[in-house]
Amino acid sequence: DGGITQSPKYLFRKEGQNVTLSCEQNLNHDAMYWYRQDPGQGLRLIYYSQIVNDFQKGDIAEGYSVSREKKESFPLTVTSAQKNPTAFYLCASSFNYRVGNYGYTFGSGTRLTVV
Amino acid sequence: EDKVVQSPLSLVVHEGDTVTLNCSYEVTNFRSLLWYKQEKKAPTFLFMLTSSGIEKKSGRLSSILDKKELFSILNITATQTGDSAVYLCAHRPYNTDKLIFGTGTRLQVFP
Repeated sequence: DGGITQSPKYLFRKEGQNVTLSCEQNLNHDAMYWYRQDPGQGLRLIYYSQIVNDFQKGDIAEGYSVSREKKESFPLTVTSAQKNPTAFYLCASSFNYRVGNYGYTFGSGTRLTVV
Repeated sequence: EDKVVQSPLSLVVHEGDTVTLNCSYEVTNFRSLLWYKQEKKAPTFLFMLTSSGIEKKSGRLSSILDKKELFSILNITATQTGDSAVYLCAHRPYNTDKLIFGTGTRLQVFP
């Protein structure tokens, strides 16, 4: 079955550590996205990528980094520079807007807690 | 700056009630408006609206878009406890893959 997989589901990080969240899709989608969700704030865009080897900053990119070396994969690294990393992280993918007007498919999320 | 605003932020009802969730937007290059339901983790797609005045229905859920007044509503009739979730509204502009989300409405349905 086609889908989008995030791992791990839960992640604990000590202050000062970098951690990487995995996102893999087998939907042949061109575009991939990372969102952060905090209580009462909806989804905020961190980074997105419309094509392999290219990505753009979203609204809250500071303290995060990404790579897009393969079409299927879009890992997110939360660096020690991110001041308040405890949140729920959602990855999504979609066809490119040039292909058509499609919505997103979301992964199940990773809940990151800084201890 | 594009903005999507949802109201109310939170809603508590009893089973059998009908609810209306609101989504207003101030955006450039409007292409479509989407509704998602988020129960625990992954948001699941409900509706995509691109044309004004055309109602989309799926069972007890329906949604409509008003492009003149820049809002959309999501109706749920005869609510059930399984409708308890956060309902997200998002705008997708032309010439971009980004979705711009509202803050969501948290619906709680009690028996």
